[in-house]
Amino acid sequence: EVQLVESGGGLVQPGGSLRLSCAASGFTFSSFPMSWGRQAPGKGLEWVSTISGGGGSTYYADSVKGRFTISRDNSKNTLSLQMNSLRAEDTAVYFCAKGRGSGSSSAFDCWGQGTLVTVSS
Amino acid sequence: EIILTQSPATLSLSPGERATLSCRASQSVSGYLAWYQQKPGQAPRLLIYDASNRATGIPARFSGSGSGTDFTLTISSLEPEDFAVYYCQHRSSWPLTFGPGTKVDI
Repeated sequence: EVQLVESGGGLVQPGGSLRLSCAASGFTFSSFPMSWGRQAPGKGLEWVSTISGGGGSTYYADSVKGRFTISRDNSKNTLSLQMNSLRAEDTAVYFCAKGRGSGSSSAFDCWGQGTLVTVSS
Repeated sequence: EIILTQSPATLSLSPGERATLSCRASQSVSGYLAWYQQKPGQAPRLLIYDASNRATGIPARFSGSGSGTDFTLTISSLEPEDFAVYYCQHRSSWPLTFGPGTKVDI
């Protein structure tokens, strides 16, 4: 069974940093692109970032480019999101998601339960 | 950036009725469109990928159609567990984007 478990969320002050992690199991992690999405309270879904299976290609939404960095450790089946210069508008539940196919651009066929990030003073 | 527009914003129906949800793209996404279902407090669930392919374990009452800029998700006969918010998402180009969602309620 495919499982994705996020961790690392919490309360952080504006301008601060946070690192999210996603532990994956139940599939060949290195064979699939992985992504982060988010959902602000009461709002819709937003794609944040994607990394290819091998880790050599990364993609970011304009809203986080230059502030967030996605990475993966295929030896540990772990996906990460380093978030710097956080803003109030980054407050959201952050989900990790598995790509359905091998191509980086893919539908997301499995999602974790999410971790809440709150940016507030 | 490709903008996805969903209509209606809210669809009020009863169990057993047919639901037809629309997603329109600001430019062609070919057939690279997915549909997700999300219930309160839960993660999204993939229903349809590449416009018309049901994801693993998705009941046959869910079907998708369309290509280019106009897409439809149809639920042939609503079950009580189908009342939720539905999002479309394209994978045609970067950045990936989601539509604003359609809420299906009773």
